Amino acid sequence: KQEVTQIPAALSVPEGENLVLNCSFTDSAIYNLQWFRQDPGKGLTSLLLIQSSQREQTSGRLNASLDKSSGRSTLYIAASQPGDSATYLCAVKGAGSYQLTFGKGTKLSVIP
Amino acid sequence: EAQVTQNPRYLITVTGKKLTVTCSQNMNHEYMSWYRQDPGLGLRQIYYSMNVEVTDKGDVPEGYKVSRKEKRNFPLILESPSPNQTSLYFCASSPAGGPNYEQYFGPGTRLTVT
Repeated sequence: KQEVTQIPAALSVPEGENLVLNCSFTDSAIYNLQWFRQDPGKGLTSLLLIQSSQREQTSGRLNASLDKSSGRSTLYIAASQPGDSATYLCAVKGAGSYQLTFGKGTKLSVIP
Repeated sequence: EAQVTQNPRYLITVTGKKLTVTCSQNMNHEYMSWYRQDPGLGLRQIYYSMNVEVTDKGDVPEGYKVSRKEKRNFPLILESPSPNQTSLYFCASSPAGGPNYEQYFGPGTRLTVT
């Protein structure tokens, strides 16, 4: 059964720093990996989706990489801002599956 | 605007009183799903539907029912709610199950069962 782990569970950084969030998964047979952002009490906003055949995806200050063979993904946030404060979740879709398996998230705080 | 909507957004009810949480999407997506989110446990899938009249269990289906009579709607039914079903519930949809399709989430329904 697929398991997704996100480390650290919480991270606090000063504004302007570049940072990396980590996601690992146990079964490399995946269709895709998706990074989400969740603000307190709110729904999930999709940030980036990486297909299993891709190595990375970029959107603005965000860059997500995927190393399927080692079961790892990273989300790089450049020049962090207080507005980036949120919980970041990664989720993988297994090959041949409709199901998303989520990590428990990393709670990011960017201090002004 | 393309979106997934859920109603109600907040609900407080008592043990045993049947309730339905509605979910609707306007993107003509085939795939829809329900999740619950609990502190320390993350998001877990309850049920999913690959198309009209096709549903299947996720990881935590006990105590829940679903139906998919129309493509756009996927209601979640709690026939006899219990306090352990107090949670934040999310509905999601996707065009299909392929690798280049992302899932879109509704705003969530916070349910409290006393």
